Amino acid sequence: ELKVEQNPLFLSMQEGKNYTIYCNYSTTSDRLYWYRQDPGKSLESLFVLLSNGAVKQEGRLMASLDTKARLSTLHITAAVHDLSATYFCAVSGGTSYGKLTFGQGTILTVHP
Amino acid sequence: GAVVSQHPSRVICKSGTSVKIECRSLDFQATTMFWYRQFPKQSLMLMATSNEGSKATYEQGVEKDKFLINHASLTLSTLTVTSAHPEDSSFYICSAPSGTNYGYTFGSGTRLTVV
Repeated sequence: ELKVEQNPLFLSMQEGKNYTIYCNYSTTSDRLYWYRQDPGKSLESLFVLLSNGAVKQEGRLMASLDTKARLSTLHITAAVHDLSATYFCAVSGGTSYGKLTFGQGTILTVHP
Repeated sequence: GAVVSQHPSRVICKSGTSVKIECRSLDFQATTMFWYRQFPKQSLMLMATSNEGSKATYEQGVEKDKFLINHASLTLSTLTVTSAHPEDSSFYICSAPSGTNYGYTFGSGTRLTVV
């Protein structure tokens, strides 16, 4: 059974600081996803990482994937309040468009 | 880009009644639809996978007679919660492969409250 674990589960940051969210998964997969969820809303796609060594950046967020270590990171640079949300990583179960298994989510709060 | 329209966004129903949630793919054909449930402060849990024209595949522990899924066309999948109980109150989200770059498109979610 594929398991996906995120840490930390709760992250309180000051504006302007940097931090990293980690996502570990238990079985081989070449596709990892990062999503953002605002309270009461559905998921917003942030990144799709499709191969070992993939790195993607959008604004203050950068995601990377190490398939050998079964690890993805979401790095936050110079956090701003607007980044406050819950962040999920998810892993595809192997088939071309298989079901996603989600991590527990990281609740990020950015303080002034 | 690919859009999945989900309705209703909120519904309150009485215990024992049934509720239908619809997800429509607006500008693409969704041969597969995933249905997730999310309880407050928790992650998304897959309930079932529907494929157009065939029976849905349910995850372990999900009652298929309670959560009826129909995927009769390439643009519409529905989830019916039958004989709803307060413990079925949750946020239900559908998702379909968007067809581009292995991405998935999520519906806007349905907040179900059973009273």
